[in-house]
Amino acid sequence: AQKVTQAQTEISVVEKEDVTLDCVYETRDTTYYLFWYKQPPSGELVFLIRRNSFDEQNEISGRYSWNFQKSTSSFNFTITASQVVDSAVYFCALSATGGGNKLTFGTGTQLKVEL
Amino acid sequence: EPEVTQTPSHQVTQMGQEVILRCVPISNHLYFYWYRQILGQKVEFLVSFYNNEISEKSEIFDDQFSVERPDGSNFTLKIRSTKLEDSAMYFCASSEDAQGRYEQYFGPGTRLTVT
Repeated sequence: AQKVTQAQTEISVVEKEDVTLDCVYETRDTTYYLFWYKQPPSGELVFLIRRNSFDEQNEISGRYSWNFQKSTSSFNFTITASQVVDSAVYFCALSATGGGNKLTFGTGTQLKVEL
Repeated sequence: EPEVTQTPSHQVTQMGQEVILRCVPISNHLYFYWYRQILGQKVEFLVSFYNNEISEKSEIFDDQFSVERPDGSNFTLKIRSTKLEDSAMYFCASSEDAQGRYEQYFGPGTRLTVT
């Protein structure tokens, strides 16, 4: 069985603050993929990143960075110098070979960035 | 850039009526999916479809649901007799292959309201 936990339901920050969104996953598979999606108020799901279980290198893309740690089964997402446009719900998701290709989503973290 | 499209963007129907939600996946993709998101909740997998048959389905995808690829471009989700609890955003997604290393591209969603 696959499970994704996003313990933070809602986070509020002031613009330019850094913020980290936590994601903890569970799977028995040794090969799996982790994803982050952004859901702005308009409702669509926007793909942000994919990591496979064999690549623990952290990744940085502009103001976004991701920290993957297999030892703690975590795949955390940090936004540096947050902006109002970052306000959205962020979902972490898992796809494991033993679970077909379906994505198992976490419950999401609502990020509010205020001026 | 190719994208997944969905129609209609919003569908209102009465309880007990049949609805068909339509999706046009990205043209060279072979795997198709439906997900559901009840308002304020997480995104849940419904069904995956490959080579004109269902690959996997969740417990949510009961006999009231069916999927079809009626031609070379459309992918549909039918709910035979809608219930109030079917009210949700329905997302279609497609991917090149079933392996998790291939990103699932999501459509903008169809908001279904059952009254």
